[in-house]
Amino acid sequence: QVQLVESGGGLVKPGGSLRLSCAASGFTFSDYYMSWIRQAPGKGLEWLSYISNSGSTIYYADSVKGRFTIFRDNTKNSLYLDMNSLRAEDTAVYYCARVGPFPNDYFDYWGPGTLVTVSS
Amino acid sequence: DIQMTQSPSTLSASVGDRVTITCRASQSIYSWLAWYQQKPGKAPKLLIYKASSLESGVPSRFSGSGSGTEFTLTISSLQPDDFASYYCQQYNTYWTFGQGTKVEIK
Repeated sequence: QVQLVESGGGLVKPGGSLRLSCAASGFTFSDYYMSWIRQAPGKGLEWLSYISNSGSTIYYADSVKGRFTIFRDNTKNSLYLDMNSLRAEDTAVYYCARVGPFPNDYFDYWGPGTLVTVSS
Repeated sequence: DIQMTQSPSTLSASVGDRVTITCRASQSIYSWLAWYQQKPGKAPKLLIYKASSLESGVPSRFSGSGSGTEFTLTISSLQPDDFASYYCQQYNTYWTFGQGTKVEIK
């Protein structure tokens, strides 16, 4: 069965950096586009970034453009999110999600999430 | 940017009630709309895609309708497991979620 498991969250100081990972299993990872979405405590869902199956197409939300970098390693069935210049408002649970089959770009499977807390 | 507006923000209902949640897009998104259910401390779960297509394994009491800018999610007979938050999401142009609707026990 499809499984996505995020890791790498934790407590980081403002201005700091963190790398999140998402390990995928149960499907052919290299066939699927992937995304990162976050949810601040008690708030709604915010899409952050999207990467095509080859990594050649990447999109970012304005809120993280220039600070976050999405990439993937298809040999390791893994998705990553490098986060730099972190701010208090980046505190959230971060989810990786699989993008549905073309042309339906909904998110059909989600990981359980990893909590990132930005605080001094 | 496409904005998604859900209503109501909170809904109080009883088991067996018919429940309808509305989602409006700031411009036409054709039928590129999904609905998700989220329970506290858990990841969202896909219920409906392409406005009205039921995801595999999702109970048939869930249904979606609409196109263009107006969409609805209907639960025909609310069950105890359905008390949760629900989010709409457009995927016509990038991705935007509605602010969510919490379905509470009346």
